[in-house]
Amino acid sequence: ETGVTQTPRHLVMGMTNKKSLKCEQHLGHNAMYWYKQSAKKPLELMFVYSLEERVENNSVPSRFSPECPNSSHLFLHLHTLQPEDSALYLCASSQEQSSGANVLTFGAGSRLTVL
Amino acid sequence: KNQVEQSPQSLIILEGKNCTLQCNYTVSPFSNLRWYKQDTGRGPVSLTIMTFSENTKSNGRYTATLDADTKQSSLHITASQLSDSASYICVVSAMNYGNNRLAFGKGNQVVVIP
Repeated sequence: ETGVTQTPRHLVMGMTNKKSLKCEQHLGHNAMYWYKQSAKKPLELMFVYSLEERVENNSVPSRFSPECPNSSHLFLHLHTLQPEDSALYLCASSQEQSSGANVLTFGAGSRLTVL
Repeated sequence: KNQVEQSPQSLIILEGKNCTLQCNYTVSPFSNLRWYKQDTGRGPVSLTIMTFSENTKSNGRYTATLDADTKQSSLHITASQLSDSASYICVVSAMNYGNNRLAFGKGNQVVVIP
């Protein structure tokens, strides 16, 4: 247990479904992230919430919608996904400081399969 | 082209043997380099983090080295154990961008066999 909890661990959904991934961190960190991990590809940053400001990767399709109600919780809302969106979705948190050397703590991931 | 290249992509080693994983990067200006271990079905876990001024850092049987001049890093695993079977990911941070602009390698897949 790393202190970052993701649910569900596995999700299978059809292309017309609406579902959400949830992430909760118990570390008192002030930044949270969503990453996509596809086979044989580097991790891809999707969204960052840092000090209540949202930063997003412009290449992420609008069918992915993040929500960060407070510094401990992060959601990724999924709507009309495509089969190529099947991947491991990783949540991470960190304590942002001016030094910049902030280690990310990852959750165990949510394995998403889109049929 | 990816800013972080790792080699070999995968390797199989006998239990008890040593191995070395390589990471070359082009990220500039450099801030820090991290090695993560990712077990199958789990999220990455931090092993080491090194800044510009650090040449080597150890975490148990894992030793990371950094040559900021040649932009190369290595992760050495000593006396491998079955539990070392995992993907090892090299991550480089650029100055002034923090965690918003991390460059990830694709990982070195290590399989330790008895």
